[in-house]
Amino acid sequence: QLQLQESGPGLVKPSETLSLTCTVSGGSIRRSGLFWGWIRQSPAKGLEWIGHICYSGNTYYNPSFASRVTMSVDSSKNQISLQMSSVTAADTAVYYCARLQGDGYCTCTGCIAHFDYWGQGALVTVSS
Amino acid sequence: IVLTQSPGTLTLSPGESATLSCRASQSFNSRYLAWFQQKPGQAPRLLMYGASIRATGIPDRFSGSGSGTDFALTVSRLEPEDFAVYYCQYYGGSPYIFGQGTKLEIK
Repeated sequence: QLQLQESGPGLVKPSETLSLTCTVSGGSIRRSGLFWGWIRQSPAKGLEWIGHICYSGNTYYNPSFASRVTMSVDSSKNQISLQMSSVTAADTAVYYCARLQGDGYCTCTGCIAHFDYWGQGALVTVSS
Repeated sequence: IVLTQSPGTLTLSPGESATLSCRASQSFNSRYLAWFQQKPGQAPRLLMYGASIRATGIPDRFSGSGSGTDFALTVSRLEPEDFAVYYCQYYGGSPYIFGQGTKLEIK
């Protein structure tokens, strides 16, 4: 069964860079028709889509985060990563990684895809 | 696109039926609407996609409907495990958007 597990520091200082890794088990991230994404959840903002990435490296970012977010793929480790720079207290949230399944024909250059599997989430607190 | 869910809280008893609403600020293809269930301390769980297609393992007590700007999730014959927070989500283009959620609580 597919499993996603987020990992990374639970505490980040303001102005620094948040880094999280999602390890996928039970399936290959290189499978066609799939994307791998990050979503966060906070009491103030609810659920927010941060962005997603295909195994080829094609990325799709929420414009609200695009200037300070980088996602990457390590196919050899079946992992995806998230880096968010210049964090503030407003970035305190539970961060989820999730798989996106393409609806119909789907390539890394883009398609309609819905979230189907989620990790358990990782709480990241931004505080000095 | 903004998704507005109503009601904010719905209080019902097991065995009853629940209808949750998700209204969009502009019309879009129903192919791009999903529903999730979230229980405390857990990640959201996919229930429906394409507005009316049940995800794997979701019982047929759950059904989705709607088009344009008005979508609904109906849960028939409520079971104790159905009491949770439900979110609708648009995924037809950037940015993907979630509604603010409806809490279904037990009476």
